[in-house]
Amino acid sequence: GDSVTQMEGPVTLSEEAFLTINCTYTATGYPSLFWYVQYPGEGLQLLLKATKADDKGSNKGFEATYRKETTSFHLEKGSVQVSDSAVYFCALTEGYKLSFGAGTTVTVRA
Amino acid sequence: NAGVTQTPKFQVLKTGQSMTLQCAQDMNHNSMYWYRQDPGMGLRLIYYSASEGTTDKGEVPNGYNVSRLNKREFSLRLESAAPSQTSVYFCASSSQGRNQPQHFGDGTRLSIL
Repeated sequence: GDSVTQMEGPVTLSEEAFLTINCTYTATGYPSLFWYVQYPGEGLQLLLKATKADDKGSNKGFEATYRKETTSFHLEKGSVQVSDSAVYFCALTEGYKLSFGAGTTVTVRA
Repeated sequence: NAGVTQTPKFQVLKTGQSMTLQCAQDMNHNSMYWYRQDPGMGLRLIYYSASEGTTDKGEVPNGYNVSRLNKREFSLRLESAAPSQTSVYFCASSSQGRNQPQHFGDGTRLSIL
């Protein structure tokens, strides 16, 4: 079945550092891919999405490119801020169900 | 801009008690979902409703029942709560069609003693 594997955390960075969170997936067809972000005590918010190969999703300085050849959707941000501290989830869907990775906790220190 | 609203936000139950978690969305979405979130396990799908009048089991349905009351509302019931059901429960919704992003509520934190 479909599955998502993402980089284990926690990840601790200094402000203005470069962030990469690796995500790879297994799917039988042509899924859509997502990154969600969860701030403490809140629900998940859609951060960005990509619906087909070579699509680049972007939002709030974050980017991820749908790479079918490597079955990857790595999340990147060039200069993180303290406010980016959160848990990040990679997810895919083929149809109605979302399959999530385990989540990566990111802490950014001033 | 309510989006997806879940009630209650927190609840403590004793083993064997029953409880219904409520979820309502105001985005005119067709599909609705219930997940549980446990440490280190991401989110796991309990039940979903692709459209009004239909419900289907997800990855971890045992011990739960659902009701799609109308297009807006999708409730999750624990008939006889067990400590293993201590978790954070999230409701989500999505618009019609395949491969749509889901929009989440803020969660219900449920503890079962």
